[in-house]
Amino acid sequence: DAGVIQSPRHEVTEMGQEVTLRCKPISGHNSLFWYRQTMMRGLELLIYFNNNVPIDDSGMPEDRFSAKMPNASFSTLKIQPSEPRDSAVYFCASSNLDEQYFGPGTRLTVT
Amino acid sequence: GESVGLHLPTLSVQEGDNSIINCAYSNSASDYFIWYKQESGKGPQFIIDIRSNMDKRQGQRVTVLLNKTVKHLSLQIAATQPGDSAVYFCAENVPPGGADGLTFGKGTHLIIQP
Repeated sequence: DAGVIQSPRHEVTEMGQEVTLRCKPISGHNSLFWYRQTMMRGLELLIYFNNNVPIDDSGMPEDRFSAKMPNASFSTLKIQPSEPRDSAVYFCASSNLDEQYFGPGTRLTVT
Repeated sequence: GESVGLHLPTLSVQEGDNSIINCAYSNSASDYFIWYKQESGKGPQFIIDIRSNMDKRQGQRVTVLLNKTVKHLSLQIAATQPGDSAVYFCAENVPPGGADGLTFGKGTHLIIQP
């Protein structure tokens, strides 16, 4: 298995633009998580899905952030409009039981 | 609110020595704990886990100790190697667990000196 796949690996955009991050979880995993990592706040859980259904989105910073999981093999995290304070590394992780397997992350820079 | 925290942000050890990374947790209901390793430019990687009905678990060169009395978790790495240099995170899961997600600590940066 290729593990959790995220794209793009790097994204640089101007504030106000829409950003879409993509994730392909490990086949057979029924839970998917989106995290944000910054030096100041560490690793924060944004939202997670179980069997493609959003379970807890209390970590989503504000309405500018939205996430979807249209099927078991794909999820997106969208930021619209993006702001400089959204700059961070965004990780997607998937799991079948307790252990979570992380993707390589998307480094987002909003100028 | 309750959170997971780490005692030391940076730990420097000589190659070949043993290292101990500590973590304090405050949620007494947590029943599952994981240690992750994150190398520069990569996502966190699972190292070892332990459930609250255990107080010790060993892997290859790593041992996790859980002291529920004082809500303390530690990761011991034996005979450290240059490849062990990374940031180490502890994470806890509160019941019902599973898909509820993990709460991560801030991380400890382990530096292996030659």
